[in-house]
Amino acid sequence: DAGVTQSPTHLIKTRGQQVTLRCSPISGHKSVSWYQQVLGQGPQFIFQYYEKEERGRGNFPDRFSARQFPNYSSELNVNALLLGDSALYLCASTFFRADGANVLTFGAGSRLTVL
Amino acid sequence: GIQVEQSPPDLILQEGANSTLRCNFSDSVNNLQWFHQNPWGQLINLFYIPSGTKQNGRLSATTVATERYSLLYISSSQTTDSGVYFCAVALLNDYKLSFGAGTTVTVRA
Repeated sequence: DAGVTQSPTHLIKTRGQQVTLRCSPISGHKSVSWYQQVLGQGPQFIFQYYEKEERGRGNFPDRFSARQFPNYSSELNVNALLLGDSALYLCASTFFRADGANVLTFGAGSRLTVL
Repeated sequence: GIQVEQSPPDLILQEGANSTLRCNFSDSVNNLQWFHQNPWGQLINLFYIPSGTKQNGRLSATTVATERYSLLYISSSQTTDSGVYFCAVALLNDYKLSFGAGTTVTVRA
């Protein structure tokens, strides 16, 4: 079984550009979440999508957007890149337990460097 | 939002040593996960443990939900245990995990 796959693994952009990151969840999982991890810190929640609908959004500007496709894969878009957007972007596939807990399994991440 | 504090921030171990990592959280949770982030950035699930005790090989974890803390035990540490260990929690039916700042573990041969 394939785990969570993310692409690209590394990319370099310049300020003002736009970037699209891609994620495919574990087969059978219908929800993906996106997290940003700045160097030296824990991951911060950006979005969660379930059945193509946005379920939640973290404290990120409108430059960040995402969508989920019918096959449950997802894209994260960031416009007008800033130096501070340099980070590891993590996608998580979500399994919903009967008790309401969301158990996350993460992909290897996309490391974005903004110059 | 919920606060998550991990201690110690850094831990240096000699191979074969045992250690305990702690996670304190500020509210009642129904989701607590421990992750290990390897040097390449991959976050690997260790435990889903909102309460009770679990063991997986040389690793074990205990969560005392009523006292709002969790402990991760590493026994007979190996160099491959090096990395950052994160505790992450969520409130009932919450869709997002809140992460602590992590404990950086370095195991020396």
